[in-house]
Amino acid sequence: ETGVTQSPTHLIKTRGQQVTLRCSSQSGHNTVSWYQQALGQGPQFIFQYYREEENGRGNFPPRFSGLQFPNYSSELNVNALELDDSALYLCASSRDRFYEQYFGPGTRLTVT
Amino acid sequence: LAKTTQPISMDSYEGQEVNITCSHNNIATNDYITWYQQFPSQGPRFIIQGYKTKVTNEVASLFIPADRKSSTLSLPRVSLSDTAVYYCLVGGMDSNYQLIWGAGTKLIIKP
Repeated sequence: ETGVTQSPTHLIKTRGQQVTLRCSSQSGHNTVSWYQQALGQGPQFIFQYYREEENGRGNFPPRFSGLQFPNYSSELNVNALELDDSALYLCASSRDRFYEQYFGPGTRLTVT
Repeated sequence: LAKTTQPISMDSYEGQEVNITCSHNNIATNDYITWYQQFPSQGPRFIIQGYKTKVTNEVASLFIPADRKSSTLSLPRVSLSDTAVYYCLVGGMDSNYQLIWGAGTKLIIKP
């Protein structure tokens, strides 16, 4: 059974650009949640996808959007990147909406 | 939305029992309480989840009083490898599926 994987591991983008981050959920899991974690802070909930539908959203602007595919993998898209978007982006999958979450290693995004 | 409050940091010694308390005064009726552990440069790892009373697994216990306005994570006989940040998470259907994390407690275990 493979765990949660994320790609890429690191990414450097310029302000104003767009980025897509990817997450493969653990086998048997139908829920994916995305988090943003700034250095030295706790994870901030971006949104959750349950069976391909957005199931909840945190306090993030619309330029943060996502998708979940039929195989339950997921993408996080961020448009019009800002310097403050620099952070570790974590993806977590679970077998249902509020079961324990299994986290991937994260994608470190740097916006310059 | 439930918000959580935890101590910023705690110190303890190897072999001791450590209790970390999280306050969540506005917890909704159907919210669950979950604790995670995070090491530097890694994603958080699930420790334990509960709704009320007491839950125990092979690594920790979770105590939740009747009013559910707080919870206590208990780590028995800690070791140096338990040095990490511990997060308290509250969320559920009543919170419109928004998952609220505390700021985390940095636990330092000393020899």
